[in-house]
Amino acid sequence: DSGVTQTPKHLITATGQRVTLRCSPRSGDLSVYWYQQSLDQGLQFLIQYYNGEERAKGNILERFSAQQFPDLHSELNLSSLELGDSALYFCASSASQSGELFFGEGSRLTVL
Amino acid sequence: GENVEQHPSTLSVQEGDSAVIKCTYSDSASNYFPWYKQELGKGPQLIIDIRSNVGEKKDQRIAVTLNKTAKHFSLHITETQPEDSAVYFCAASIGYSTLTFGKGTMLLVSP
Repeated sequence: DSGVTQTPKHLITATGQRVTLRCSPRSGDLSVYWYQQSLDQGLQFLIQYYNGEERAKGNILERFSAQQFPDLHSELNLSSLELGDSALYFCASSASQSGELFFGEGSRLTVL
Repeated sequence: GENVEQHPSTLSVQEGDSAVIKCTYSDSASNYFPWYKQELGKGPQLIIDIRSNVGEKKDQRIAVTLNKTAKHFSLHITETQPEDSAVYFCAASIGYSTLTFGKGTMLLVSP
């Protein structure tokens, strides 16, 4: 158990809809990262937050947004969903702005 | 930005054999190279990492080597066991920047 909690574990929705994925980092970790994992693209970095502030942005679509709250949990919002958004979304946390990442078990999104 | 290539995409070995996974990176400024193991239904977990000031690091049956001149690094697993079966990801980063991952290698160890 990494100590990172993600909900929901599975989510099935339709195209055009909006979903929110939630992540609770390990106790004391200030950095939260979001990654998208698909079969052909591996682990794609989406965005990083550190202590409530956005620190780095990767290949995150404009339809996607994220935030980190004062209690350090984070949410990833995916809107106007398309079939291609179907993937496994991982949250990871770390104690600082770098170093070992601790991954949650992921949220599997299926867009029909 | 950084680009990490990983080979092979799949690797099948017999129990007891050695397995080698190779990665190349594009940015010569990268100085941190971790390896993550992802078991079925779980998130990736760090198994070993190396920084650019060393050429090799070992931890029991696993080792990582780094060739900065050639910009490649490798994961070596000796005496493989069925529980080594998983997807392995290499990654690279520059200083405190975020990690760029390779696309992964599915390792299957047959008894």
